[in-house]
Amino acid sequence: DAGVIQSPRHEVTEMGQEVTLRCKPISGHNSLFWYRQTMMRGLELLIYFNNNVPIDDSGMPEDRFSAKMPNASFSTLKIQPSEPRDSAVYFCASSFRTGLYGNTIYFGEGSWLTVV
Amino acid sequence: DAKTTQPNSMESNEEEPVHLPCNHSTISGTDYIHWYRQLPSQGPEYVIHGLTSNVNNRMASLAIAEDRKSSTLILHRATLRDAAVYYCILRAGGTSYGKLTFGQGTILTVHP
Repeated sequence: DAGVIQSPRHEVTEMGQEVTLRCKPISGHNSLFWYRQTMMRGLELLIYFNNNVPIDDSGMPEDRFSAKMPNASFSTLKIQPSEPRDSAVYFCASSFRTGLYGNTIYFGEGSWLTVV
Repeated sequence: DAKTTQPNSMESNEEEPVHLPCNHSTISGTDYIHWYRQLPSQGPEYVIHGLTSNVNNRMASLAIAEDRKSSTLILHRATLRDAAVYYCILRAGGTSYGKLTFGQGTILTVHP
């Protein structure tokens, strides 16, 4: 079975440019999460969706970041304009939410972003 | 979210058991205890989870204290491929939609 698929795997861009990261969750999953990982701050939850609806975006650093989930099989994380401090690994993850909270979250392999 | 405390790092020899401790003294009754690990240059992957009883799966065992204020992840025979950062996470119930809040984790080094 295909796991969570992210693209691009690696991106190098210049400061000020728009960056769009894409994610295809596992088929049938109804929750989607975007995380960011840096050496300084570790793994941080940016935003998560349930049934395509954003539930909590309190982790989004600022207005330059936006995320959408137009349908159950696709999500984007956009940074506009990008800055060098946005350099990080961005992970997308998905799970099937049930009434109990023991269900597993599956992570993609990450999008490695470098802003120069 | 309730917090967990883990040692920054641990070391083990190959084929020996490894016991990774986690303290979570403020755990609530509906919190599940999850363990994830992150291999170098990869996304985190699920290892095991439990609520009150000890749990076993093909990867590891999870021993949960009777008062649930601590737990231990047990790798029965460490291999070089088990070298990773191990995260102990409390996954909240209620309306939190089961999000995972990662701490710093324990860096496990396995020596040949």
